[in-house]
Amino acid sequence: EERLLESGGGLVQPGGSLRLSCEASGFIFNTFAMTWVRQAPGRGLEWVSSTSASGGTTYYADSVKGRFTISRDNSKSTLSLEMYGLTAADTAEYYCAKMTAEHVRSAMDIWGQGTAVTVS
Amino acid sequence: QSLLTQPPSASGTPGLRVTISCSGSSSNMRWNYVYWYQQVSGTAPKLLIYKNNQRPSGVPDRFSGSKSGTSASLTIGDLRSDDEADYYCSSWDDSLSGWVFGGGTKLTIL
Repeated sequence: EERLLESGGGLVQPGGSLRLSCEASGFIFNTFAMTWVRQAPGRGLEWVSSTSASGGTTYYADSVKGRFTISRDNSKSTLSLEMYGLTAADTAEYYCAKMTAEHVRSAMDIWGQGTAVTVS
Repeated sequence: QSLLTQPPSASGTPGLRVTISCSGSSSNMRWNYVYWYQQVSGTAPKLLIYKNNQRPSGVPDRFSGSKSGTSASLTIGDLRSDDEADYYCSSWDDSLSGWVFGGGTKLTIL
């Protein structure tokens, strides 16, 4: 069974940093692009960042560009999101999602359960 | 404000049909596929429709999608109580070089 398990969320002060991780299992991790999507309390889905299967191509939402860094360790089937300069606007549930192709312009077919980040 | 526009709410009666619209622009939906996600309260989103009108394995054929130009729609037939959820459309945006989501439509089953 394909599964994603996020971790690393928590309470952080404004201006602080946090590293989220997403552990993948049940599929060949290095053949699929991966994405982070967040959802602020009571709000809709917001795309954060995506990376190709190799990690060689990355994309960021304007709202996080320059502050967040997406990376992946294909040897450990793990996706990460380093977050710096956090503000209250970054408070959200963060989901990692597997994409259906090696490139990022594909569907997000498997989602983790999410990890909560609170900036306060 | 989302780049993809959805009605904030919709409702339907069990057994009947409801359609949710999604309006985009030339930088996203005109030349890129539309995807639909279902999110039941308190759970992670689930892929419902990909590439405008394709259903992943396990998604009932009561769910269908379509796209024309810069508009798309999701139709749910034979409504059931467990269809009550938030529904999001999404597409790649060439100007932003990133994904955009609609604001979501909360479907209530009457």
